[in-house]
Amino acid sequence: LAKTTQPISMDSYEGQEVNITCSHNNIATNDYITWYQQFPSQGPRFIIQGYKTKVTNEVASLFIPADRKSSTLSLPRVSLSDTAVYYCLVGRNQGGKLIFGQGTELSVKP
Amino acid sequence: GAVVSQHPSRVICKSGTSVKIECRSLDFQATTMFWYRQFPKKSLMLMATSNEGSKATYEQGVEKDKFLINHASLTLSTLTVTSAHPEDSSFYICSARDQGGGELFFGEGSRLTVL
Repeated sequence: LAKTTQPISMDSYEGQEVNITCSHNNIATNDYITWYQQFPSQGPRFIIQGYKTKVTNEVASLFIPADRKSSTLSLPRVSLSDTAVYYCLVGRNQGGKLIFGQGTELSVKP
Repeated sequence: GAVVSQHPSRVICKSGTSVKIECRSLDFQATTMFWYRQFPKKSLMLMATSNEGSKATYEQGVEKDKFLINHASLTLSTLTVTSAHPEDSSFYICSARDQGGGELFFGEGSRLTVL
């Protein structure tokens, strides 16, 4: 399973765009990249998933370069409620288990 | 979206007793469910993969006799912490995919406190 590396913590202010980069140098051909958000004492919540290039949904964008050895989660105009831990996971979609890395603790300040 | 539900959300028990946590997929069938545990300020640690109709696959270092997993139907997996001790106190989270693969859905988590 590909190991992921993320910054341990990030600070931001309301209204700013936040980019969190994850390194996954040994990603396999069949692996997808998935980002989850977790609030204290809650289960992780799916944010976005991608395989290559760029994916965008109503809450975030995911940028994946051609070599797929890293990915960047982009959160536009964050608010206080975006304060959470963000996890980047790499793995197969069909039945594959997902191993969590350390995650990035994002703190959004007023 | 699909929902995974855990019960109970909180449980307090005495040392030496056993505690069962249920994980249900409410609107989809899951042949595979995963159990994680999480200590305060730490990441989720995968404990085991629960397979419907067969034995669970445990991660290295996880005691299978301590953490009993049963996946008797396509919508229910249970984790039983046997002879619980204070060091078993943790946040236990289950997750599941529907049979078509794709997004992994997580339960709300169950906080176990062993006195």
